[in-house]
Amino acid sequence: EPEVTQTPSHQVTQMGQEVILRCVPISNHLYFYWYRQILGQKVEFLVSFYNNEISEKSEIFDDQFSVERPDGSNFTLKIRSTKLEDSAMYFCASSQTETGELFFGEGSRLTVL
Amino acid sequence: GNSVTQMEGPVTLSEEAFLTINCTYTATGYPSLFWYVQYPGEGLQLLLKATKADDKGSNKGFEATYRKETTSFHLEKGSVQVSDSAVYFCALRLTSGNTPLVFGKGTRLSVIA
Repeated sequence: EPEVTQTPSHQVTQMGQEVILRCVPISNHLYFYWYRQILGQKVEFLVSFYNNEISEKSEIFDDQFSVERPDGSNFTLKIRSTKLEDSAMYFCASSQTETGELFFGEGSRLTVL
Repeated sequence: GNSVTQMEGPVTLSEEAFLTINCTYTATGYPSLFWYVQYPGEGLQLLLKATKADDKGSNKGFEATYRKETTSFHLEKGSVQVSDSAVYFCALRLTSGNTPLVFGKGTRLSVIA
């Protein structure tokens, strides 16, 4: 069964460092998303991406964040200069249509020290 | 704004016990409602959904009914199994446009034999 895959499963980084989280969405999906969950809090929407551009983003998704689909298969989330409060589980998701079911990856846990 | 509130966990039940996880929502528009499940080491998976008032979503013995009058979508199962141990997330999504899923905090369920 097709699935969304994410790497790394866990990354530990120092504050101020750049981090790239990678996702491979399901191959025939066109809409891509990043969500995050800070420990003990809600799963929060970060950004959605369609047709090589951001279609919507939350207030969390500030200038420190960027997304890219560099090669037609990967979908990456970059955090330019990590802060302690960026520590969270980051989930990638994809869907085939605008209102279709979202399929999620297993998540990438980011720990900022 | 749009938000989801679900009962705090963790919930620990014996096998074959009855499960209820409460979920209520507020929405500016007309939402579809979802329950997602995350089994240990896996990504978020759609468990069931309902797209209009009085609809009942069901899957794997779980049920939830969309109650517009009480703005609720409580998850129930008549007889839980050890394999149901997971984190359960209630979520909503407005039916117009490519709007993001809005999640609750999640409820961890542990079922003991």
